[in-house]
Amino acid sequence: QVRLVESGGGVVQPGMSPRLSCEVSGFTFSDYVIHWVRQAPGKGLEWVACIWYDGSDKYYGESVKGRFTISRDNSKNRVYLQMDSLNAEDTAVYYCAKAGLIRGQGEFFDSWGQGTLVSVSS
Amino acid sequence: EIVLTQSPATLSLSPGERATLSCRASQSVTRYLAWYQQKPGQAPRLLIYDASNRATGVPARFSGSGSGTDFTLTISSLEPEDFAVYYCQQRQHWPPLTFGGGTKVEI
Repeated sequence: QVRLVESGGGVVQPGMSPRLSCEVSGFTFSDYVIHWVRQAPGKGLEWVACIWYDGSDKYYGESVKGRFTISRDNSKNRVYLQMDSLNAEDTAVYYCAKAGLIRGQGEFFDSWGQGTLVSVSS
Repeated sequence: EIVLTQSPATLSLSPGERATLSCRASQSVTRYLAWYQQKPGQAPRLLIYDASNRATGVPARFSGSGSGTDFTLTISSLEPEDFAVYYCQQRQHWPPLTFGGGTKVEI
């Protein structure tokens, strides 16, 4: 079955640069856009970034543009989110999510990981 | 950026009752709207995509309707496991992909 597993979260100090990882299985990874969505404690969902199925295109939300970088390794079935210049407002559970349709045809999220908590605190 | 406004913020109902949740877009998203359910401590779960298509494994008591700027998620008869927070999300105009603020369905 489809599975996405995030890792790399934890308590980080402001200005640190952690990298989140999302390992996927159960589907043809190289056929799907993968997204990161975050949720601050007690708040709603916020789309963060996505990377095209072949890595050719990347898109970011305004609040992370220029600070976060998404990448993927199709040989390892992994997507990464490099997070730079973190601040307290980046504290959230970060989910990776699979696009619902193949090859960029549908950007809704039909499978989600369990999430990894990033807590930015000094 | 397309803003999605969900109403009501909280819906207080009993098992067996019908739930009607609304999502209004700041401009037309044609039919490119999805609905998700989230329970405490869990990841969101896709219920409906493209306004009215049920995702795999979603019970028939969940249905979606609407187009343009006004959408509705209906739960025909609430089961105990349906008490959760529901979010809508549009994919017509992006980036960014945007979510509504959520509706909490509580007992």
